[in-house]
Amino acid sequence: GAVVSQHPSRVICKSGTSVKIECRSLDFQATTMFWYRQFPKQSLMLMATSNEGSKATYEQGVEKDKFLINHASLTLSTLTVTSAHPEDSSFYICSAITGTQGYEQYFGPGTRLTVT
Amino acid sequence: SQKIEQNSEALNIQEGKTATLTCNYTNYSPAYLQWYRQDPGRGPVFLLLIRENEKEKRKERLKVTFDTTLKQSLFHITASQPADSATYLCALNTGFQKLVFGTGTRLLVSP
Repeated sequence: GAVVSQHPSRVICKSGTSVKIECRSLDFQATTMFWYRQFPKQSLMLMATSNEGSKATYEQGVEKDKFLINHASLTLSTLTVTSAHPEDSSFYICSAITGTQGYEQYFGPGTRLTVT
Repeated sequence: SQKIEQNSEALNIQEGKTATLTCNYTNYSPAYLQWYRQDPGRGPVFLLLIRENEKEKRKERLKVTFDTTLKQSLFHITASQPADSATYLCALNTGFQKLVFGTGTRLLVSP
């Protein structure tokens, strides 16, 4: 149980375009989802906390107008990278909390974004 | 400043031995601490959670200790196997279910 999927797994886009990444909880309802970014050989950096039906809470230094998060249902959160630039190239990972099993987070497999 | 430190150098051990990984933190007072495993190009996988009032937690070949006085957690894998080779991340809660992750330690288990 507690499976989280992400789509796409890899995406290459041109500078200036927007990219949407989907995060789905497959076998549970996730009231809270998190979005992280991970650069090579670095740790996961929390970008934002996404709660179903309300606005996302962004971490300091993360531009909310650039990284749009929508948590429209209890099983789906989306991250849209707007006007992407090469420095946005990274590994984006989402996670979810079941709300019933404690505080552990269940992570998706990640999305590798490359902006050319 | 707040820091979570894990040994950045890879830990190489022989199959069958016990691997011990360290997580030290400063300027945090976490109510709980978690350990995750991450394979290359994949998302982390939850392994164990230990609360501040717990000294030790076990799950199969895994054992975690949590010393809030030393501000340190140790993560042990007994009877290690090549399949245990991965990067292991410790994470602290910082309130509202948010986690802050260490940089991870890469474990290599040789046959």
